[in-house]
Amino acid sequence: QVNLLQSGAALVKPGASVKLSCKASGYTFTDYYIHWVKQSHGKSLEWIGYINPNSGYTNYNEKFKSKATLTVDKSTNTAYMELSRLTSEDSATYYCTREGWYSFDYWGQGVMVTVSS
Amino acid sequence: DIQMTQSPASLSASLGETISIECLASEGISSYLAWYQQKPGKSPQLLIYGANSLQAGVPSRFSGSGSGTQYSLKISSMQPEDEGDYFCQQSYKFPPTFGSGTKLEIK
Repeated sequence: QVNLLQSGAALVKPGASVKLSCKASGYTFTDYYIHWVKQSHGKSLEWIGYINPNSGYTNYNEKFKSKATLTVDKSTNTAYMELSRLTSEDSATYYCTREGWYSFDYWGQGVMVTVSS
Repeated sequence: DIQMTQSPASLSASLGETISIECLASEGISSYLAWYQQKPGKSPQLLIYGANSLQAGVPSRFSGSGSGTQYSLKISSMQPEDEGDYFCQQSYKFPPTFGSGTKLEIK
């Protein structure tokens, strides 16, 4: 069965960076794009960007272009998102999700990032 | 970016009641519309894609309809496990955008 397992919650200081992971299993990793979504305040969802695990091609929401960097490690079926220069506005839950037919068909369990000194 | 306006923001329904949630896009999205359910502390789960196609494993009491800029999700016969937040999402143009959500509770 398809599973996306994300790394644990992170507490990071303002100005620092954090790298989140998303390990895929139960399907051929390189056959599906991986997207990342931010959920703030337990409600609204924002699309951050996606990566093609086969080619490494990325596409970002303009809003997150200087904030997020997406990479993959095909040898471990793992996608990563690094968030840089963190501020309190980056405190949120971040999800990785697999692209289905013009939708997101499987989601990781989410990882809460808290930015605090 | 395409704006997705979802209504109502919250809704209370009795068990067995039929409910509808609406989503209005700021421009036509050619049925590239998905619906998700999210329960507290959990990740969103895909219910409907392509405006009216039921995701595998989703109960048939869920259905989607619409075209152009107007779409809706219907739940026929509300069940206790249907409590949660519901979001629409368009994938017609980048970036994909989501509605602000509808909180569905049992009356």
